[in-house]
Amino acid sequence: QLQLQESGPGLVKPSETLSLTCTVSGGSISTVTYYWGWIRQSPGKGLEWIGSIYYSGTSYYNPSLRSRVTISLDMSKNQFSLNLSSVTAADTAVYYCAKIDSSGMFDSWGQGTLVTVSS
Amino acid sequence: DIQMTQSPSTLSASVGDRVTITCRASQSISSWLAWYQQKPGKAPKLLIYEASSLESGVPSRFSGSGSGTEFTLTISSLQPDDFATYYCQQYNSYSITFGQGTRLEIK
Repeated sequence: QLQLQESGPGLVKPSETLSLTCTVSGGSISTVTYYWGWIRQSPGKGLEWIGSIYYSGTSYYNPSLRSRVTISLDMSKNQFSLNLSSVTAADTAVYYCAKIDSSGMFDSWGQGTLVTVSS
Repeated sequence: DIQMTQSPSTLSASVGDRVTITCRASQSISSWLAWYQQKPGKAPKLLIYEASSLESGVPSRFSGSGSGTEFTLTISSLQPDDFATYYCQQYNSYSITFGQGTRLEIK
């Protein structure tokens, strides 16, 4: 059973970089048919895709966030990470990591972690 | 970008009702559509993928249909556990967007 767990600071100051890690257990992030992704949900709002990364390291980002987002893999730790730079209060959200099947759906999710942007 | 529009935004229904939620894409996405259920404080749960395929373990009262730009999620007989928020999600050319959500509430 694949499990994903987000970790990282719960509070980030405005203009700084938000950094989160997703640790995958019960499966390998180097599996050819899988993508890995980040999604966020602002309080009381809907779901927003942030970006995805393939085992090869190829990444795809939401155009609205592309200039500030980097997603990377760490095969040695079976983890993938999210960096979001120059954050503002609008980036306050629950951040989820998830596995993306080859059909494009998110079929395994982490529990989510709340990140608040505030001084 | 492909925009996904769900309707209605809120739906009031009773246990035992048959309900349908619609999702429209701004351009054709073939059958690259998924549906999720989310309860407060929880991660979304995959219900349907590729527009009409039922995820393993999901009750058969959930069904999906459609292709191209128009899709529906149907719950044939609402159970108390089904009151939640539902999202559609498209996958096309490595870009992903979600609908804005449909809140299903008890009448």
